[in-house]
Amino acid sequence: AQSVTQLDSQVPVFEEAPVELRCNYSSSVSVYLFWYVQYPNQGLQLLLKYLSGSTLVKGINGFEAEFNKSQTSFHLRKPSVHISDTAEYFCAVSTTNAGKSTFGDGTTLTVKP
Amino acid sequence: EAQVTQNPRYLITVTGKKLTVTCSQNMNHEYMSWYRQDPGLGLRQIYYSMNVEVTDKGDVPEGYKVSRKEKRNFPLILESPSPNQTSLYFCASSSTGNGYTFGSGTRLTVV
Repeated sequence: AQSVTQLDSQVPVFEEAPVELRCNYSSSVSVYLFWYVQYPNQGLQLLLKYLSGSTLVKGINGFEAEFNKSQTSFHLRKPSVHISDTAEYFCAVSTTNAGKSTFGDGTTLTVKP
Repeated sequence: EAQVTQNPRYLITVTGKKLTVTCSQNMNHEYMSWYRQDPGLGLRQIYYSMNVEVTDKGDVPEGYKVSRKEKRNFPLILESPSPNQTSLYFCASSSTGNGYTFGSGTRLTVV
């Protein structure tokens, strides 16, 4: 069994400020970790993924995430956000055969001018 | 263009009337999956498929059927829709370890 907990349902932040969206997971088997972004009235788009190797992964739009095995966390960060980053962000885990996937409930990031 | 295409985008139907939502991908991905998205509940996996003729239940399979007769297609069938199946549905496809590519979604309303 696997589960994902996104610790913040809403994160308001001012433009050009740093942001961290928190994600914890649990799984009894090896998993891959992902962050997706969903803009209003659109499907989900892959931001970044962790499969193995370096624990710091970089994605699109200046986002990065750090895998912490001991804390079973995969937090998403951006050093300076823009208005256009306003969206819903989902953390997800997949079994290593990419079949079974579990998503968190999502974090709404609102960037204010 | 690499994409996942699902149809229709919007659908209003009545309770009990069978419907099919189609999904097709042009990336030769092995894995395909259906999700429903409801406010405050994130995305929940309905069914997934690892390859042709290989499917398995996700977290919320009740009331849904799928088939994978061809690698590119993965239709979602609601044999007898009910109002609690009103939701936003997403189809997605993936190759191993690459994360899912999502379709644009189907907004289903069952009255």
